[in-house]
Amino acid sequence: EAGVAQSPRYKIIEKRQSVAFWCNPISGHATLYWYQQILGQGPKLLIQFQNNGVVDDSQLPKDRFSAERLKGVDSTLKIQPAKLEDSAVYLCASSLRAGLDASYGYTFGSGTRLTVV
Amino acid sequence: KQEVTQIPAALSVPEGENLVLNCSFTDSAIYNLQWFRQDPGKGLTSLLLIQSSQREQTSGRLNASLDKSSGRSTLYIAASQPGDSATYLCAVPISGGSYIPTFGRGTSLIVHP
Repeated sequence: EAGVAQSPRYKIIEKRQSVAFWCNPISGHATLYWYQQILGQGPKLLIQFQNNGVVDDSQLPKDRFSAERLKGVDSTLKIQPAKLEDSAVYLCASSLRAGLDASYGYTFGSGTRLTVV
Repeated sequence: KQEVTQIPAALSVPEGENLVLNCSFTDSAIYNLQWFRQDPGKGLTSLLLIQSSQREQTSGRLNASLDKSSGRSTLYIAASQPGDSATYLCAVPISGGSYIPTFGRGTSLIVHP
C-alpha cells in the first residue's frame, strides 16, 4: 500500500511570510494528524481530523495556524504569518480509525522541514 | 493527560552490544503502544505495535515488551549494528476516546563500529 505522502520536503521562508503544507493519507484512513517536531523534541500534536471533522485542535496556535480536510481525504496546514519559532519538521500521520475501539497503529509521512529566517 | 518519558535520552555503544531502551507513561489505560525509529531529517518509521492485551512483540532483532500496570515498555535491540543509529520514539494514545498519540522525547542512539 502507498504510504502517507507529504509535500514539499523542505521549505525556507522569511518571517511574516505564509506557507502551506500538503498531506495525502493512506487510502481509507479516516483519521489524520498533524504534528510539529522541534529539533531535539518529540512530535507535538497540532490537530486531529476524523474524516473531515476536527477532533482536537487544542494545541494549534489558531492566530497563525489553520488546517483543513475538506473532502475527508487530503489535508493542508497553513501558517500565516510565520515566526522564527515555527522552524520545525511538520509531520502528517494517518490511522484507519480512532475512538474507544481503536487498536490500530499510525503511519507517518516523511515530513516537511520548515526553516523560518 | 498522558505524559511519556524515555530513558536514556542518549546512548552511544560499540557494535554488537545488546541494548534496552525504556519508555514510561503516566496513564495505564492505553489502547496500544507503538515504537518508532526516526533517522536525522526524516519522518517516523513504525517498528513495533503492541496492543494493550499483549505483553510483547518481536520483529527480527527487536523485541518490545509492555507492562501496563506499571506504565512501562522496553525496546530491546539485540546485537546492535551501526545501521541502528537513529532516534527511537515511543507513542502512547491518550485515554478517553480521542486516541491521540502522545510521544516521548526519544532516545538518540549511536552505534559505532
